[in-house]
Amino acid sequence: DTAVSQTPKYLVTQMGNDKSIKCEQNLGHDTMYWYKQDSKKFLKIMFSYNNKELIINETVPNRFSPKSPDKAHLNLHINSLELGDSAVYFCASSQDLSGNTEAFFGQGTRLTVV
Amino acid sequence: ILNVEQSPQSLHVQEGDSTNFTCSFPSSNFYALHWYRWETAKSPEALFVMTLNGDEKKKGRISATLNTKEGYSYLYIKGSQPEDSATYLCAFDAIQGAQKLVFGQGTRLTINP
Repeated sequence: DTAVSQTPKYLVTQMGNDKSIKCEQNLGHDTMYWYKQDSKKFLKIMFSYNNKELIINETVPNRFSPKSPDKAHLNLHINSLELGDSAVYFCASSQDLSGNTEAFFGQGTRLTVV
Repeated sequence: ILNVEQSPQSLHVQEGDSTNFTCSFPSSNFYALHWYRWETAKSPEALFVMTLNGDEKKKGRISATLNTKEGYSYLYIKGSQPEDSATYLCAFDAIQGAQKLVFGQGTRLTINP
């Protein structure tokens, strides 16, 4: 059973479209995250949610909106996609907000905007 | 701006040899330091989470040390095996109560048989 699963694995779409990436965790964790792997391969945090409440909202364009219908799911909606949004997006979860609990990552969604 | 730097960026090691690499992070406002192992086409997997200065953690042939006063952590691999080939990421957390990991770029380790 995959602990953190995100779909789709690959997403190719045209500029201007709206798309969503879904993430689910079956670990019973309270906290979920979205990370973006940038062009220099760094993983950078975008958002975190704890029990459906937004905790971290980094400086990302407001075209990106996370939605957490329950604590096992954190979806990422992206409106009006731009070429620069092409990247690999990783979902993750951790037991809670304390920094001393490890994060579990999904396998990533490679988004290509053409 | 928090900077987490890892060195070297890449490393080739002969099978059976031991190796180590470094993660440097800000020494102020330290809360936790994470190490992750990231194999190609897979997702990052946690190796260690360290919080106390002087911490040493071990998992099989892999161990890590932590010096929060000077802002560095070492990861050691003893008797490298081909399956150790991966990118090793460290991540720094300065905030208690809002896990906000700042990742280094990683050390890409290749074990030559």
